[in-house]
Amino acid sequence: AQRVTQPEKLLSVFKGAPVELKCNYSYSGSPELFWYVQYSRQRLQLLLRHISRESIKGFTADLNKGETSFHLKKPFAQEEDSAMYYCALTAWGAQKLVFGQGTRLTINP
Amino acid sequence: DGGITQSPKYLFRKEGQNVTLSCEQNLNHDAMYWYRQDPGQGLRLIYYSQIVNDFQKGDIAEGYSVSREKKESFPLTVTSAQKNPTAFYLCASRPGDNLNTEAFFGQGTRLTVV
Repeated sequence: AQRVTQPEKLLSVFKGAPVELKCNYSYSGSPELFWYVQYSRQRLQLLLRHISRESIKGFTADLNKGETSFHLKKPFAQEEDSAMYYCALTAWGAQKLVFGQGTRLTINP
Repeated sequence: DGGITQSPKYLFRKEGQNVTLSCEQNLNHDAMYWYRQDPGQGLRLIYYSQIVNDFQKGDIAEGYSVSREKKESFPLTVTSAQKNPTAFYLCASRPGDNLNTEAFFGQGTRLTVV
């Protein structure tokens, strides 16, 4: 079964400090992994996907198959990064899209 | 205006009644999803559909039913069998041709049982 775990419900850091939001997954095959973000009063939207290997708004995420992790990182946090972040997984062979519990990130000035 | 639309935004239901939440998309997406969002529990998958006339149970399907008679529409019925229906419900869609595609979300429907 596919499962995504985000161990931190809340994360608070100061502006300019590094940020790391943790995501672990369980799936026996090769998953496709995503990070979605929900800013206040906005719809949930895609932040980045692992296949693209891109940096969006300064965020990056590396898939570590050995540790089954897909942590989201940003070297210098900004106040506008405050939002709810969700890690998500899709498995090969199906369109099932599963999300983690979410982490609420707060950036303090 | 393209996108995915959920209606109504707020819905009140008396205990013992069934209620149907609407989800419509004009993005020509094959796959559609229903999630339930509760504080501290993230998004839990209720049902999903990969193609018209086909749908699969998610992780918390009990007490819910869906249909997919048209590509654009994926209504969710919350039945009286759902023990704790008060929640925020999100609908999403994405193209069905590739697993890496982005999912687009509606604004959500907040259901309250009174």
